[in-house]
Amino acid sequence: QSALTQPRSVSGSPGQSVTISCTGTSSDVGGYDYVSWYQQHPGKAPKLMIYDVNKRPSGVSNRFSGSKSGNTASLTISGLQAEDEADYYCCSSAGSYSYVIFGGGTNLTVL
Amino acid sequence: EVQLVQSGAEVKKPGESLKISCKVSGYTFSNYWIGWVRQMPGKGLEWMGIIYPGDSETRYSPSFQGQVTISADKSISTAYLQWGGLKASDTGNYYCARRLSGSYSSFDYWGQGTLITVSS
Repeated sequence: QSALTQPRSVSGSPGQSVTISCTGTSSDVGGYDYVSWYQQHPGKAPKLMIYDVNKRPSGVSNRFSGSKSGNTASLTISGLQAEDEADYYCCSSAGSYSYVIFGGGTNLTVL
Repeated sequence: EVQLVQSGAEVKKPGESLKISCKVSGYTFSNYWIGWVRQMPGKGLEWMGIIYPGDSETRYSPSFQGQVTISADKSISTAYLQWGGLKASDTGNYYCARRLSGSYSSFDYWGQGTLITVSS
């Protein structure tokens, strides 16, 4: 199976909004409402930011939101802050729930 | 407090075997799936497989099926990832993570990672 497709990099200025896309197929993103998003700072373990397409874990800022349309999921970060600069990965259930596939990752730069 | 504590970094030679561990605390180990994720140097996350400690049901990514073995020991709340014969391409950071209950792709708690270096 191939990794889900994400832009390699995105950028935005403090206070702006950015959206990161995650494109798969009907066998993964389009077939399940089990898309999650992770934030990873250099040298750190990933952190769950969004799960089940649009749910936020306790403690995650409401500046982070998720959505999905067809085979593409999206993560939107509003009111960009310097601390949001990190790598972001999408993740989807696949193969009749038997396994999981990650996106290639997107590096977010806060200008 | 939920914690996943992984074993320390390893330096191994090609062909050697290895078993790394992930000891959990702060919740009932048997009741949550534990997954393993690889991150090669400077690269993205790759899902390797997952185990349900309650009955040891295990699922593997097609990319890792037959390459690694995932296991768990309920008596000591520890999950394992092992290789029978390492290759240089196995070099990377390996994370264990707890799967959020009721969600198939969401991992809410992560270990600190175990760095494995395979070099002759």
